[in-house]
Order: sequence, then C-alpha cells, then structure tokens
Amino acid sequence: ETGVTQSPTHLIKTRGQQVTLRCSSQSGHNTVSWYQQALGQGPQFIFQYYREEENGRGNFPPRFSGLQFPNYSSELNVNALELDDSALYLCASSLGSYNSPLHFGNGTRLTVT
Amino acid sequence: KQEVTQIPAALSVPEGENLVLNCSFTDSAIYNLQWFRQDPGKGLTSLLLIQSSQREQTSGRLNASLDKSSGRSTLYIAASQPGDSATYLCAVNTPLVFGKGTRLSVIA
Repeated sequence: ETGVTQSPTHLIKTRGQQVTLRCSSQSGHNTVSWYQQALGQGPQFIFQYYREEENGRGNFPPRFSGLQFPNYSSELNVNALELDDSALYLCASSLGSYNSPLHFGNGTRLTVT
Repeated sequence: KQEVTQIPAALSVPEGENLVLNCSFTDSAIYNLQWFRQDPGKGLTSLLLIQSSQREQTSGRLNASLDKSSGRSTLYIAASQPGDSATYLCAVNTPLVFGKGTRLSVIA
C-alpha cells in the first residue's frame, strides 16, 4: 500500500510569484484535503476534493485554488504569494466519508521571501 | 465555530512515566475525534480515531477517551519512552479542526 506523497519537499519563492504543490493520494482513496500549518500552530483546513469536485473550503482567499485528477491525485495552486503564505502545506487522503481517518503526507515546506 | 484547545502546550517527563494529554472542544456535535503525532518538520501520523458513538480506543501503550457531553478527550501514554518525544495534536470532525498541539519531551 502506497502512502500519501507530496512534492516538492521544500520550495522557496518570492512575494508575488505563483506556486503549485502536488499530492498523490493513498491507493484506493478518493478524497484529498489540503491544510496549511504555520510554525507553532495546528493545521488549518484549506479545501477538500472528492471525485474531482471541490467539496468544502476553509477561510482562505480565492488565490488559493486546487484541482483533483481522475487518478485522485491533486494540486494546490497559490497565486500572488505573500510573506504570510510561508508554512508547511499538508495533503491528506481518505476514503470519502465523514468518519474515515485521514492519512497525511510529509508536507511541502514553502518559504516566501 | 468549533474551537479545539490542548493543554499543556509543552510537557517534559522522565522515561517510564505515565502521562495524560488533554484536548477540549467547544461544539459537542462532532462526528469523530482523531489524535495525531507530528515529528519536527514532518507530516502527521494518525494514532487513534474515536467515533462519536465510542468512549475510548486503545493501541498498544496509547489509550484515548472521548466525553462528548463535556467536550473533552484525553490521550494516555503508558510507560513513556524517549521515542515518544513529538508534538501530539487532536482534531475533530471532517474537515478536521485542530488544536495547537502538546509538545512532549521524554527524558532518558
């Protein structure tokens, strides 16, 4: 069983640039969620995708957008990067139900300078 | 709006000690509660998932309890080891709402 994998592991971008983060879900999982974790904080929900459709969104501006592909892998895109976007971005997959446990990847560390 | 609080923020114990981590949530209408472990700079590892209809779950030296009516959960770690050193996070529902975590250090 392959776990959740995220790429890249680290990324440095300049304010105003755009970034794309990638996530491969665990085998058999059809739901992907993205979280942002600032230093010293708990993860904050960005959005969730279920069968290629956005299925819930947290309190993040529209410059945070995503995609899910037919193989259930996913991308997180952030436009017009701001310094406060510096964080660990975590992807989690599950088998599409409210009571299914989430399985997390190791995250992408994004630094915006 | 659901809010999750974890106390203490940090804890240091000698090896072999039994310990309890606390988690409280403001809205008792939850589907489930999950405990995670996070090593520095890493992702989250799921430890235990308690459904809203359950009172506790056990895995090895770990035992998690859930009291929905009082909005509380505890994670009990028996016979702590240095390898248990990490940040422990609790989260409720889907999408998950997380606490800030308890940073645990187990001293050999």
